[in-house]
Amino acid sequence: DIQMTQSPSTLSASLGDSVTITCRASQSIGDWLAWYQQTPGEAPKLLIYMASTLARGVPSRLSGSGSGTDFSLTINSLQADDFATYYCQQYHSYPWTFGQGTKVEIK
Amino acid sequence: EQLVESGGGVVQPGGSLRLSCAASGFTLRIYAMHWVRQAPGRGLEWVAVTSYDGSNSYYAESVKGRFTISRDNSQNTLYLQLTSLRLEDTAVYYCARSDTIFRPDYSLDVWGPGTAVTVSS
Repeated sequence: DIQMTQSPSTLSASLGDSVTITCRASQSIGDWLAWYQQTPGEAPKLLIYMASTLARGVPSRLSGSGSGTDFSLTINSLQADDFATYYCQQYHSYPWTFGQGTKVEIK
Repeated sequence: EQLVESGGGVVQPGGSLRLSCAASGFTLRIYAMHWVRQAPGRGLEWVAVTSYDGSNSYYAESVKGRFTISRDNSQNTLYLQLTSLRLEDTAVYYCARSDTIFRPDYSLDVWGPGTAVTVSS
C-alpha cells in the first residue's frame, strides 16, 4: 500500500497569514493526488485534484503543487472558513490512501 | 448533485448492517462509487469501490471478506453490506463518487453527509 505522510499535524496561524501543508507519498504517484478540507461534523470537500487543479468553486488563494512523491497545499490570506482539517489522498492505485490530516487552527 | 446515506445504527460485535446511498441530481450509472469511513476523532479511511456497472470492485484489506459493495443503477442507489462487525468498524461511513474507477480525473468530487455505525456490546 502507498503510505501518505502529511506535515505538520497541527498548524497555528492568524487571519491573513499564508500557510503550506506538505504531503509525501511512499512511492511515486505521478500527479494522482487530491486535497480535501473537512470541518467538524461535515463531509470532506474536494479542493484540488491532479495535484494542482482547483475544484469548482474553490478560491484561487488556494494552490497545490508537486509531482511524484512530494506535494504541497498553500493557502494564502487565511480566511475564517479556512480553519479546518486538510487531507491529502492518492488515487494512483488501490487501496486509495489518505494522509493523517493537518488541522489548521487559529493562533 | 447530491448523495445521502442511510442505514447506520448500533449493532453488536459479529452483527450485520446494510448501508444505502441514494443519488439525486445526477445519473449514478455513469460513475464509479466509493465508501470512505472515519472513526471517531480519526482520519479518513477508504473502504471500497465499485465500477459504474458493478462488474469490478476493490476493498481495503481491513474489510475484505466482511464487507460487500453493490449498486442498483435502476434505483440510483449504492449499498454496503457490513458483516462480522468489529468494534474497530465504528465510524461515520461516507459514500462518494469518482468519474472512473481507475485514476479518475477528479478523485472524489461529491460526498454524502455520512451515516454513523456504532459496534458495541
